[in-house]
Amino acid sequence: GAVVSQHPSWVICKSGTSVKIECRSLDFQATTMFWYRQFPKQSLMLMATSNEGSKATYEQGVEKDKFLINHASLTLSTLTVTSAHPEDSSFYICSVTSRTGWGRAFFGQGTRLTVV
Amino acid sequence: ELKVEQNPLFLSMQEGKNYTIYCNYSTTSDRLYWYRQDPGKSLESLFVLLSNGAVKQEGRLMASLDTKARLSTLHITAAVHDLSATYFCAVDPRPGPITQGGSEKLVFGKGTKLTVNP
Repeated sequence: GAVVSQHPSWVICKSGTSVKIECRSLDFQATTMFWYRQFPKQSLMLMATSNEGSKATYEQGVEKDKFLINHASLTLSTLTVTSAHPEDSSFYICSVTSRTGWGRAFFGQGTRLTVV
Repeated sequence: ELKVEQNPLFLSMQEGKNYTIYCNYSTTSDRLYWYRQDPGKSLESLFVLLSNGAVKQEGRLMASLDTKARLSTLHITAAVHDLSATYFCAVDPRPGPITQGGSEKLVFGKGTKLTVNP
């Protein structure tokens, strides 16, 4: 099955700074990756679909200028939280779906972002 | 718009007991997935259900799918403490026949937090 590596696992940053989160597909080339956000004790909310070589598709209500997504290669997507604020503190998870997994999503380890 | 509802949202049960978690969804789909999440961790894939009547079993967990009723169940048999986690169902909103591959966003239920007490 697909193996997805997400980095970093946790990060603490100051308000106003930017944070970059990386998501790597280790087992196969992924033209599409997904970024989710999860607040404590809540479900996953899809933020955006990352498309290799083209612009990301953002879900309604997600600010594209705040959450910059770059999918420059078939194995790497990055999410940059720009000018972070405490309300951006959350658990961010990326996923890819395996062509051999019948649409099953494989998730990265997640990144716990805390903005102070 | 596809909506996915899970119930119960919280479940506290004793070791050795049986219970079922339900996942209802609002529009036609032939692909449903169950995931497990431990506190502070990411999601682990449990089951892939791809057709009406599909039943999958792994240890003390058994998942089934009824596409006509738009319902999936996750049945827990003789629960043990190690099963304590949050369980999510997720539905692929794409209609039509099942084909391998492709990528589509999944719609998740709110999750069921299961606590198994000794």
